[in-house]
Amino acid sequence: DAKTTQPNSMESNEEEPVHLPCNHSTISGTDYIHWYRQLPSQGPEYVIHGLTSNVNNRMASLAIAEDRKSSTLILHRATLRDAAVYYCILRDEKNTGTASKLTFGTGTRLQVTL
Amino acid sequence: GAVVSQHPSWVICKSGTSVKIECRSLDFQATTMFWYRQFPKQSLMLMATSNEGSKATYEQGVEKDKFLINHASLTLSTLTVTSAHPEDSSFYICSARSGSVFRSTQYFGPGTRLTVL
Repeated sequence: DAKTTQPNSMESNEEEPVHLPCNHSTISGTDYIHWYRQLPSQGPEYVIHGLTSNVNNRMASLAIAEDRKSSTLILHRATLRDAAVYYCILRDEKNTGTASKLTFGTGTRLQVTL
Repeated sequence: GAVVSQHPSWVICKSGTSVKIECRSLDFQATTMFWYRQFPKQSLMLMATSNEGSKATYEQGVEKDKFLINHASLTLSTLTVTSAHPEDSSFYICSARSGSVFRSTQYFGPGTRLTVL
């Protein structure tokens, strides 16, 4: 599985935008970029995913570099409820006949302060 | 998004006993379910992948005779930890994927905290 590299931790002030980076220099053409987040003592929550184009949903935006070797998750206005560990994961979608799986790295712990 | 539930949310058991954890997809049919384990301050580790009606595929290092997985229907998977020991104490999280195997979102349950005394 192609690996991702994320900073261990980041801090943000409430109501400010947050840019969470992820490097994936060994990404293959069939890898989708997925972002999940995990609040303490809870299961991961789906945030967003994309392949090549930038993506937006109600939770966040995903900006993907043109060469796809990096991506950035953007929270437009951080709130205290956004404090969590954010995981950037590559999932291989090539048609192998077997279920592709999500392999979690260590993620970025986001702290949000007043 | 889709909802995945787990039961129980926490369980305490004596060493040597077996514990069953249920995972249900509440509003979609899950063709594939996954079981993860997470130790304190660590990331999630995939234990096994199961498709409805077939045997689970275990990750390297996971004992299939100790962690029994049954995916009997499109909405239910169970994980049984047999002869549990204190080192099995962990946070167990299931995940489910609907529809086409490819390019579909994977949803996670809230987790089950197992404590073995």
